[in-house]
Amino acid sequence: DTEVTQTPKHLVMGMTNKKSLKCEQHMGHRAMYWYKQKAKKPPELMFVYSYEKLSINESVPSRFSPECPNSSLLNLHLHALQPEDSALYLCASSQEHPFPYEQYFGPGTRLTVT
Amino acid sequence: RKEVEQDPGPFNVPEGATVAFNCTYSNSASQSFFWYRQDCRKEPKLLMSVYSSGNEDGRFTAQLNRASQYISLLIRDSKLSDSATYLCVVTLDDYKLSFGAGTTVTVRA
Repeated sequence: DTEVTQTPKHLVMGMTNKKSLKCEQHMGHRAMYWYKQKAKKPPELMFVYSYEKLSINESVPSRFSPECPNSSLLNLHLHALQPEDSALYLCASSQEHPFPYEQYFGPGTRLTVT
Repeated sequence: RKEVEQDPGPFNVPEGATVAFNCTYSNSASQSFFWYRQDCRKEPKLLMSVYSSGNEDGRFTAQLNRASQYISLLIRDSKLSDSATYLCVVTLDDYKLSFGAGTTVTVRA
């Protein structure tokens, strides 16, 4: 059973919409991550938060805007997305960052941009 | 050269068989190594961390060979439920995990 939860499970949005993805972890971890995964490809890192501060942005377009309201919550705000942004968006957490602890993934939000 | 390379498979094996596959990594300074499994349309789930001395968890055995820069995963007595994609994950530096493209294993009855 995952201790990282994500909502919604599925999201369909138009290119002019604004939506948010939510992630919550219940393990007391201090590092949280957003990944994007396309079909038959490995996850690609987007953002890293450590102690609620953004520490890594992997050159992600500004139409993706992360937010970390507290150490348990992570949001990803979406605006003016393109069809090629359709993917599985995975949230993960780990004990600390930047130490190389294992990461635990949430079930993901499957996003379709029309 | 890719940072982490895996044989994509698929490895099709009968129930009860042993299957093994490797993953090579390019950064000799990598410190941490993991195997994750991912089922179709699901999230990656941590299978095991890989330690220098090797480690075993039930039917799964992981080995690390630093000299040749590869890690391996061996599955004994394969079950139908072992059918999945196995992702090799290596830390490149202090913060970033690098994922292999995955090895697909299909266990048939």
